Amino acid sequence: AQTVTQSQPEMSVQEAETVTLSCTYDTSENNYYLFWYKQPPSRQMILVIRQEAYKQQNATENRFSVNFQKAAKSFSLKISDSQLGDTAMYFCAFMKQSNYQLIWGAGTKLIIKP
Amino acid sequence: ETGVTQTPRHLVMGMTNKKSLKCEQHLGHNAMYWYKQSAKKPLELMFVYNFKEQTENNSVPSRFSPECPNSSHLFLHLHTLQPEDSALYLCASSLAGSPYEQYFGPGTRLTVT
Repeated sequence: AQTVTQSQPEMSVQEAETVTLSCTYDTSENNYYLFWYKQPPSRQMILVIRQEAYKQQNATENRFSVNFQKAAKSFSLKISDSQLGDTAMYFCAFMKQSNYQLIWGAGTKLIIKP
Repeated sequence: ETGVTQTPRHLVMGMTNKKSLKCEQHLGHNAMYWYKQSAKKPLELMFVYNFKEQTENNSVPSRFSPECPNSSHLFLHLHTLQPEDSALYLCASSLAGSPYEQYFGPGTRLTVT
């Protein structure tokens, strides 16, 4: 069975700093998808970034980028120039190609300090 | 209204009550999901509906009963719940059979007393 591990329950950084959230996963599948979702306090879960396992190039969305290491089964999220609005729970998720269902990590609480 | 909506946003119920959670999506999706979110735990997938048909029941106790009358609406009927069922219940939708994102509602914060 697939599992997703986020080893950092909570992190805090100063505004404008760069922060990296870690995620590792376990799977025997070769084709799958990886996601980072963000859940701000009392607000809806939204997608931050998505990566297809067959793509070697790391996904990037503005200040958000990933470091996808397929052999190591690692999928970290880097947030550059962090902003107060980045304060949220961040969840890493794995999607099997066989049923398109998400398997979630326990989340990392990220606090951006002014 | 746009996106995925859920009502009520907060619910307090006794263990002998019967209540229902409602979810509606305005995105033209054909897959809908119920998740349970407890603090410091991964989201737990409860039920999946594709084209109104239930395709996944993740060993959920029978005191939770889902209903999907059409592709836009999803209900979760609750009866004789336990205090450990207190959690945030999230509804999500997506295009069925696609590897793209799920869109989430704001959730219903359920407290069982």
